[in-house]
Amino acid sequence: GAVVSQHPSRVICKSGTSVKIECRSLDFQATTMFWYRQFPKQSLMLMATSNEGSKATYEQGVEKDKFLINHASLTLSTLTVTSAHPEDSSFYICSAREGRGAFFGQGTRLTVV
Amino acid sequence: QKEVEQNSGPLSVPEGAIASLNCTYSDRGSQSFFWYRQYSGKSPELIMFIYSNGDKEDGRFTAQLNKASQYVSLLIRDSQPSDSATYLCAVIRGRSGNDMRFGAGTRLTVKP
Repeated sequence: GAVVSQHPSRVICKSGTSVKIECRSLDFQATTMFWYRQFPKQSLMLMATSNEGSKATYEQGVEKDKFLINHASLTLSTLTVTSAHPEDSSFYICSAREGRGAFFGQGTRLTVV
Repeated sequence: QKEVEQNSGPLSVPEGAIASLNCTYSDRGSQSFFWYRQYSGKSPELIMFIYSNGDKEDGRFTAQLNKASQYVSLLIRDSQPSDSATYLCAVIRGRSGNDMRFGAGTRLTVKP
């Protein structure tokens, strides 16, 4: 399967600061990438669809000014959590479609203290 | 009605038994169906995909799809303790191929 790399795997930040998470497709080009959030024992919640060279499409209820997405190249999408608050603490996962499958990055465990 | 529904479990089976995981979906136009396995604290990994009605086998795993009933299942034969994880059903809706929706997952425990 295709490889999607996500970095960092864990991050702890202070409330009010910003955190950037990177998602890279290592062996294929991804025109579209997806960002999910997962709270403990809950399912993946799609936050936004990231499109290379254009604005991301956000799901209803997701603040685009808080969760900034940039998809500057065919292999890299970034998610920046701005002015983080403790309630933003979660597991953030990116994925990219390759062929008929969707492949996931390793996930980023964000803890806001 | 949720777009993709799964029994949250937990489903517990003894080692060596068959584990049966079920999923229903609401969008009749859905075309592609996937099963992912997610270990605690890890991201999902693709196990199988199925597009056509019927069965698809891959090793110990068999995916079954019935579009008329809007139902997809995953059978795990000869279950092993290492199969203990949460299994996510995913469905792609629409023609663009970008609208993938996930079920809440079924937690499977295989007891030695």
